[in-house]
Amino acid sequence: NAGVTQTPKFQVLKTGQSMTLQCAQDMNHEYMSWYRQDPGMGLRLIHYSVGAGITDQGEVPNGYNVSRSTTEDFPLRLLSAAPSQTSVYFCASRLQLGPSYEQYFGPGTRLTVT
Amino acid sequence: AQSVTQLDSQVPVFEEAPVELRCNYSSSVSVYLFWYVQYPNQGLQLLLKYLSGSTLVESINGFEAEFNKSQTSFHLRKPSVHISDTAEYFCAVSASGGSYIPTFGRGTSLIVHP
Repeated sequence: NAGVTQTPKFQVLKTGQSMTLQCAQDMNHEYMSWYRQDPGMGLRLIHYSVGAGITDQGEVPNGYNVSRSTTEDFPLRLLSAAPSQTSVYFCASRLQLGPSYEQYFGPGTRLTVT
Repeated sequence: AQSVTQLDSQVPVFEEAPVELRCNYSSSVSVYLFWYVQYPNQGLQLLLKYLSGSTLVESINGFEAEFNKSQTSFHLRKPSVHISDTAEYFCAVSASGGSYIPTFGRGTSLIVHP
């Protein structure tokens, strides 16, 4: 198993540009989520999905869109990038939503918006 | 809603010394507690978790944490640290009866000096 994969690893955008951060898992996990990590802020939940076709907002959803057309993929779209979106983005997945299921994280995407 | 407070943003320690990373939580319902570790330029990995039963839980690399309900704490300890333990450590909590989505603390940077 490759686990949770994310592409790209690094990205530089200009203000106003759009892009999609890719996330895929090959463990047949139902639950997937996106976090952003900022210094001194820990991880904050952006969006999550409990299965194909089902998504919901997390703590900091503004400026981001998601969709879940397949179990494997959960892309995160930045509609119009802003400097405040400079961050490290992590995708995570787990088999189901219950607390006994371990959450697996991808290696992260480091995004800089100038 | 639940919340997590990690009381120290940075903990410097010498190799082979003991260490304690502090974590306090707030929740109106029963909780599940987790510690994650993030090595430089990597994603988060589950270190240990408390779901129920024995309040003392251990990891395979010598860390342990004790769930203290009266003090709403879940401190992480290791009796003798190694250079390789240098990493960011995150405490997380999820509440029972809800979505089980974990809330993360802001992280504690453990720096082990030779």
